[in-house]
Amino acid sequence: ETGVTQTPRHLVMGMTNKKSLKCEQHLGHNAMYWYKQSAKKPLELMFVYSLEERVENNSVPSRFSPECPNSSHLFLHLHTLQPEDSALYLCASSKGYSDRGLPYEQYFGPGTRLTVT
Amino acid sequence: GQQLNQSPQSMFIQEGEDVSMNCTSSSIFNTWLWYKQDPGEGPVLLIALYKAGELTSNGRLTAQFGITRKDSFLNISASIPSDVGIYFCAGPDLETSYDKVIFGPGTSLSVIP
Repeated sequence: ETGVTQTPRHLVMGMTNKKSLKCEQHLGHNAMYWYKQSAKKPLELMFVYSLEERVENNSVPSRFSPECPNSSHLFLHLHTLQPEDSALYLCASSKGYSDRGLPYEQYFGPGTRLTVT
Repeated sequence: GQQLNQSPQSMFIQEGEDVSMNCTSSSIFNTWLWYKQDPGEGPVLLIALYKAGELTSNGRLTAQFGITRKDSFLNISASIPSDVGIYFCAGPDLETSYDKVIFGPGTSLSVIP
């Protein structure tokens, strides 16, 4: 148990559906992240929120829409997805910058396995 | 931009054997992180290294921050079946002004009982 939870753990959706992924961190962290992990590919950073402000959108298609209502919660809203969007979606959080001026370690949730049919 | 390479890409070892893997970069890193990911789960942080030359252990795992600051090593002693998974190295992206971490492609470890 890393202190980061994600729901649902598994999701099957059609291309015309709208669904949302939820992430919650219980670590008092200030930064939250969405990653996409496809089979046999490296982790792909999708979005970064620092103090509830989006600081990076890594050229992600608009069919993925993040929301960070507060520093403990992060959502990823999905609509009109494509089969190639099927992947493991991981949420992570970190404290932010340490007193060394370096980013703190990131802690991951268990992921949501998404299948688009 | 900064990139990380890991070798080997995959390993098949006998239970009880020691394992060594490494992570390299073309640029200097100030922090090295090692994660393990079990199938179908999120990566779990194993060890964090902050200083060149630093050697840190976590049970049977030992990681080192390379002197050149461009590499790091992870060793697992006396492997057991639950060591199976993908091991990722990571480090902060020093080219950005916010909290971004770069991950290597991973080393997949299989342990034969």
